[in-house]
Amino acid sequence: DGGITQSPKYLFRKEGQNVTLSCEQNLNHDAMYWYRQDPGQGLRLIYYSQIVNDFQKGDIAEGYSVSREKKESFPLTVTSAQKNPTAFYLCASSDIANEQFFGPGTRLTVL
Amino acid sequence: GENVEQHPSTLSVQEGDSAVIKCTYSDSASNYFPWYKQELGKGPQLIIDIRSNVGEKKDQRIAVTLNKTAKHFSLHITETQPEDSAVYFCAASFTGGGNKLTFGTGTQLKVEL
Repeated sequence: DGGITQSPKYLFRKEGQNVTLSCEQNLNHDAMYWYRQDPGQGLRLIYYSQIVNDFQKGDIAEGYSVSREKKESFPLTVTSAQKNPTAFYLCASSDIANEQFFGPGTRLTVL
Repeated sequence: GENVEQHPSTLSVQEGDSAVIKCTYSDSASNYFPWYKQELGKGPQLIIDIRSNVGEKKDQRIAVTLNKTAKHFSLHITETQPEDSAVYFCAASFTGGGNKLTFGTGTQLKVEL
């Protein structure tokens, strides 16, 4: 099956911990994106990558980091510098037609 | 940067009626306007999109219209069914600038029997 997978589905973080969210796609898409969704709100862009080994900050990059070592993978690390990390995190990838397709999401909760 | 406003925030219709959701955008350079449907606890699903060289696009019960002059676009769902109940998001982007989507705040659609 082609698609975007995110893991884990649920993640719990203690104060001061860094956690890494996984995003993998087998759609052969060049571009990948990370969004954050808070209750009752739209999605906000954290980071995006248009090609391997290159990525750019989105609107709310502070407290987050990413890497893009492989075309298929775009992991997001939520660092201890992110003061309010509890949210629903969504990964997406896009094709040459710029249509973005989303994964199932990871719900992160700070304990 | 781009700013997208979406109305209404909640919409309740009777099964079989039509539903209309409206969005406005601020950046005249935006040229791609997708609509997403999100069910509870799931990722958004692309349901239809429109590009700035087209005024209207239809796919079965769903249609989208775009008015570039007024900078607004709308989603129309006809013959609504209970399974249409979900949160709908509009978005806008300039495809030449990394295709960064700016989302509206969403519309909770409820289709009542």
